[in-house]
Amino acid sequence: VQMVQSGAEVKEPGASVKVSCQASGYTFTHFVIGWVRQAPGQGLEWMGYISTYNGNTDYAQNLRGRITMSRDTSKNTAYMELRNLKSDDTAMYYCARGHEDGDYSYAYWGQGTLVTVSS
Amino acid sequence: DIVMTQSPVSLPVTPGEPASISCRSSQSLLYSNGYNYLDWYVQKPGQSPQLLIYLGSNRASGVPDRFSGSGSGTDFSLKISRVEAEDVGVYYCMQALETPQTFGQGTRLEIK
Repeated sequence: VQMVQSGAEVKEPGASVKVSCQASGYTFTHFVIGWVRQAPGQGLEWMGYISTYNGNTDYAQNLRGRITMSRDTSKNTAYMELRNLKSDDTAMYYCARGHEDGDYSYAYWGQGTLVTVSS
Repeated sequence: DIVMTQSPVSLPVTPGEPASISCRSSQSLLYSNGYNYLDWYVQKPGQSPQLLIYLGSNRASGVPDRFSGSGSGTDFSLKISRVEAEDVGVYYCMQALETPQTFGQGTRLEIK
């Protein structure tokens, strides 16, 4: 199993970013994909998850209205788009796949995508 | 939201000695199916987090048996029977019972 994320991004405040997460080594639609971020020097923050089977999503309350998670099953890829970026969105963003025995335990993680928001 | 509280914040350990981290949740993580929806992750320096323990006490694939998870309801612990140098990192508990999923603030394990 591998989760490979897109490369680092630098964005201005107010812009949008879309991070991709390409999965391999398993049947893509069998497991949820969650997104977690980590601001510099800080702990882990759950952002939400997407059911790769039917596209259903659940987002953290503090991000609703600015975040969209989606997937393309033909490409085995999940996406996380964050709009109207602010400086405190500067963070490492991780995708992670659910576990076989616990859907919302995250067994496999991407390498992380650094998003820097700066003018 | 369920609040997760870990202790200690920092944990210096001599190699070969045991270590223990505590995690307390603001509400019970025991579901009606008998499982506790509590995971443990470690983030080693410069790496992505990795799953150590899921559903309270189950070791993830490839995790050495010196790691064990225990507890039920609102009180949980992660124990390392004999710490090795490679165990350095920040350990997080996370509740997977309901959304938003929430993490503890982390415990930094360092080698004395």
